Amino acid sequence: GNSVTQMEGPVTLSEEAFLTINCTYTATGYPSLFWYVQYPGEGLQLLLKATKADDKGSNKGFEATYRKETTSFHLEKGSVQVSDSAVYFCALLYGSSNTGKLIFGQGTTLQVKP
Amino acid sequence: DAGVIQSPRHEVTEMGQEVTLRCKPISGHNSLFWYRQTMMRGLELLIYFNNNVPIDDSGMPEDRFSAKMPNASFSTLKIQPSEPRDSAVYFCASSPRAVEQFFGPGTRLTVL
Repeated sequence: GNSVTQMEGPVTLSEEAFLTINCTYTATGYPSLFWYVQYPGEGLQLLLKATKADDKGSNKGFEATYRKETTSFHLEKGSVQVSDSAVYFCALLYGSSNTGKLIFGQGTTLQVKP
Repeated sequence: DAGVIQSPRHEVTEMGQEVTLRCKPISGHNSLFWYRQTMMRGLELLIYFNNNVPIDDSGMPEDRFSAKMPNASFSTLKIQPSEPRDSAVYFCASSPRAVEQFFGPGTRLTVL
């Protein structure tokens, strides 16, 4: 079936360190892929997305490239800030664009220390 | 736009009581989703609607849970009777075409 697997957290980094959060997926066809971020006490917010192979999504210094050959969509940021501390969810869209639903990974907690 | 609105933000109730969670999606969005988030099980999709019609309710845990969407601007998730294991944060999300979902702030439910 369709699924998303993320690296386990928490990930603890110092400010200005390089971030990678791994995400791999299993899906039939060609799903769209997403990264969502959840700050403490809030709902999820879309961070970036990619809708086809080799697409790169980017936003707020974060990037992720849709790699079909490795079924991966790893999240990266060159220099993290304390304000990036949050839970990050990788997700894929299963089904059509009109009736599809998101399949989420388990989430990875990022803690950035000053 | 005010975004997705959920009420109440916090709910504390006793086991056996009926609980009703409410959601107002973003105007113009035609898909609505209800999720439950717990530490143990992560984020689970309970049910989603497209054009007010339930499309997939396979995530609804049991008959104690029910959801309705009487019109395009309102949805409810009801738990009757509630149990302590229902304690969680419940999110509502809406989408213009089920591609990008916009989440509400959530309702934190505690069942004693």
